[in-house]
Amino acid sequence: DAKTTQPNSMESNEEEPVHLPCNHSTISGTDYIHWYRQLPSQGPEYVIHGLTSNVNNRMASLAIAEDRKSSTLILHRATLRDAAVYYCILIGGETSGSRLTFGEGTQLTVNP
Amino acid sequence: GAVVSQHPSRVICKSGTSVKIECRSLDFQATTMFWYRQFPKKSLMLMATSNEGSKATYEQGVEKDKFLINHASLTLSTLTVTSAHPEDSSFYICSARSGSGRNYGYTFGSGTRLTVV
Repeated sequence: DAKTTQPNSMESNEEEPVHLPCNHSTISGTDYIHWYRQLPSQGPEYVIHGLTSNVNNRMASLAIAEDRKSSTLILHRATLRDAAVYYCILIGGETSGSRLTFGEGTQLTVNP
Repeated sequence: GAVVSQHPSRVICKSGTSVKIECRSLDFQATTMFWYRQFPKKSLMLMATSNEGSKATYEQGVEKDKFLINHASLTLSTLTVTSAHPEDSSFYICSARSGSGRNYGYTFGSGTRLTVV
């Protein structure tokens, strides 16, 4: 599985934007970039995923570098409920049936 | 959206007994499900991949005779922790892949907190 690198922790203030970086320099051409987050004592939940183009959904935006070796998850206005561990994960193309393995993720703290 | 139900959410058992955890995909069929365990302040560790109608694939270091996985239908996978010991106390989480083609994701259960006393 291709490896990703994320900062261990980040801090933000409520209602401010948050940019969570992820480096994945060994990404292959068919790897999708997925983001999940895990709130305390819960299972992870899907946030967003993309391949090459930037993506937006109700929860967040995903900005993917042109060379695809890095990406940034953007929370436009952080709330206290966004405090969680955020995981950036590379998953093989749709035919691979890839296992989903987790790195250490980024612990996001949101200050009121 | 896709929903995965995991049951029970919490269980306390005595050393030496066995515990079964169920993972159900409620509104989709999942030929493949995944089982994880998570210790406090740590990331999720993949234990095994559960395949419908066939044997599970275990990650290196995971004892297949201790963590029995059954995936008898397209909507249900079970993990049985046999002869549980206090060191098996952990947070167990299941996941299933949903969707198809380029529009897919992994949906997780809410987890099972196992305490062995």
